Amino acid sequence: AQSVAQPEDQVNVAEGNPLTVKCTYSVSGNPYLFWYVQYPNRGLQFLLKYITGDNLVKGSYGFEAEFNKSQTSFHLKKPSALVSDSALYFCAVREGDNAGNMLTFGGGTRLMVKP
Amino acid sequence: DTGVSQDPRHKITKRGQNVTFRCDPISEHNRLYWYRQTLGQGPEFLTYFQNEAQLEKSRLLSDRFSAERPKGSFSTLEIQRTEQGDSAMYLCASSFLRAEAFFGQGTRLTVV
Repeated sequence: AQSVAQPEDQVNVAEGNPLTVKCTYSVSGNPYLFWYVQYPNRGLQFLLKYITGDNLVKGSYGFEAEFNKSQTSFHLKKPSALVSDSALYFCAVREGDNAGNMLTFGGGTRLMVKP
Repeated sequence: DTGVSQDPRHKITKRGQNVTFRCDPISEHNRLYWYRQTLGQGPEFLTYFQNEAQLEKSRLLSDRFSAERPKGSFSTLEIQRTEQGDSAMYLCASSFLRAEAFFGQGTRLTVV
């Protein structure tokens, strides 16, 4: 079974400061990891993914994430937060070698960026 | 707009009624997924199709739920004899094979 934990329900950061949204995962095989963002009354928007290769993955809107196999983590980061980054962020995992395509999502972390 | 399209965006129904939602995926995507999201939670997988074949179903998908993708293009999700616990956002997503999935804006179901 695969699972994702997002330990923080909410992260508060001042505009211009760096931000980190934490994610840890559990899968039995090689992980495929994803970050999605959800704005109010909207669907999920894909931000970035890790499949293989470089542990630092760059994505949309200046976001990046670092894959750490030993800590089974995939934290989302941005060097300088914008007020417009305020939204709900979801980490998701899929077992890479699994023939199925089911994504398992974490419970989400609300990011609040204050001016 | 060439993204994933879902219809309707909102549905209010009385308990016991049947409802049907439609999803139109990105045209070149051969995989289509349904997820359910309740308030304050992450999306939960319901089922997915590759072309017209339904390849995987979650245990969340009770007998009252049925999904089809008859021609490998659009899909429908039907809920029969709705219950208040069915109230949720129903999200559709599509992908090309095992690439990342792109989500529609969802259908919000309220059962009264």
